[in-house]
Amino acid sequence: GAVVSQHPSRVICKSGTSVKIECRSLDFQATTMFWYRQFPKQSLMLMATSNEGSKATYEQGVEKDKFLINHASLTLSTLTVTSAHPEDSSFYICSAREGTPRDNEQFFGPGTRLTVL
Amino acid sequence: RKEVEQDPGPFNVPEGATVAFNCTYSNSASQSFFWYRQDCRKEPKLLMSVYSSGNEDGRFTAQLNRASQYISLLIRDSKLSDSATYLCVAPAITGGGNKLTFGTGTQLKVEL
Repeated sequence: GAVVSQHPSRVICKSGTSVKIECRSLDFQATTMFWYRQFPKQSLMLMATSNEGSKATYEQGVEKDKFLINHASLTLSTLTVTSAHPEDSSFYICSAREGTPRDNEQFFGPGTRLTVL
Repeated sequence: RKEVEQDPGPFNVPEGATVAFNCTYSNSASQSFFWYRQDCRKEPKLLMSVYSSGNEDGRFTAQLNRASQYISLLIRDSKLSDSATYLCVAPAITGGGNKLTFGTGTQLKVEL
């Protein structure tokens, strides 16, 4: 089956630093990757949609200059949380889709738990 | 109205029981839906896809009612390992079918 990996799985950083999270599709080429954030006891909230070779599309309320997304290849997308603050502490999950929007099925990475001190 | 709404639960049921969750959606143009399972502090995993009136996979049955715009998930013969949060997922209204909207999830606890 389709496998998506994320690295790191857990990161603790100081306020003001930047953190990069990688999302890789291991056995398929992902035309689209998605970045979600999940706070405790809440559902997944889409942050941005990323297509290989083009700029990411951010959801309303998500600062594109704070959450930098790069989708340089069909198997790798990165999310950089710049100048992280404690309120950015959350569970960040990426997903990848192989086909067209009609397929819709997204395969999720294991998530990255970010704690900003 | 939220795009996807679910009863948050928790549903506490004894092992072996049958339990059903409902989910309502607001986008009448949606063609496909999903049920995901999410364990505590883990990523969601696809449980079932629903493209037509319903889908069955072992102890799990998903049904779609387009007229009333709801999807249900039925779990028969509940196992302890079924304890998790079940997420109802539908295509987002915006995004041309490219994005998914997740419900807040229904928590299931199966007990001895």
